[in-house]
Amino acid sequence: DAKTTQPTSMDCAEGRAANLPCNHSTISGNEYVYWYRQIHSQGPQYIIHGLKNNETNEMASLIITEDRKSSTLILPHATLRDTAVYYCIVRSRSGGSNYKLTFGKGTLLTVNP
Amino acid sequence: EADIYQTPRYLVIGTGKKITLECSQTMGHDKMYWYQQDPGMELHLIHYSYGVNSTEKGDLSSESTVSRIRTEHFPLTLESARPSHTSQYLCASSELRDFNEKLFFGSGTQLSVL
Repeated sequence: DAKTTQPTSMDCAEGRAANLPCNHSTISGNEYVYWYRQIHSQGPQYIIHGLKNNETNEMASLIITEDRKSSTLILPHATLRDTAVYYCIVRSRSGGSNYKLTFGKGTLLTVNP
Repeated sequence: EADIYQTPRYLVIGTGKKITLECSQTMGHDKMYWYQQDPGMELHLIHYSYGVNSTEKGDLSSESTVSRIRTEHFPLTLESARPSHTSQYLCASSELRDFNEKLFFGSGTQLSVL
């Protein structure tokens, strides 16, 4: 699986958009980009995933560059409850039983009042 | 919201005790996982299961063992707990949709071994 690089930490003002970058320059054609987040002392929570098109759901938007070497997770109106560690993960399309999701260090997003 | 439950939420025990951390899910998922996480550190996969009677070791070596006798239940056991086992243990299950898997995590068990 391709490696990802994320900033260690970021700050964002409450009510503003939070843009979390992720570099995955070695991503291959069949690998998806997944985002999870982990609020303090809780289990990680799935946010969104995508292959090459931009994706949006009720939680966030995912923007993937045309060359797919980087992506940005956007929380349009950050709230204090969005303070968490955000994990960007690249994983191949799962077609078998050997699926294992590997979490890195992620980005600690702190939303300030 | 995911229906995956872990008990107990917190556990403080003495060295040498045998413990079992419980994990149950009501979503009918075949795949289940155990991750271990120390404070401020990464999650490490220690066990996973493809389904009933299937268990595999994860990426991080662990002295714990698991069993999968029923689809919904994936308990983790430590035969003799030691202070080095102090950590948070997170259970997860996954659903497969359109060849992509989404993991659902429990709230975790914070284990402290004295």
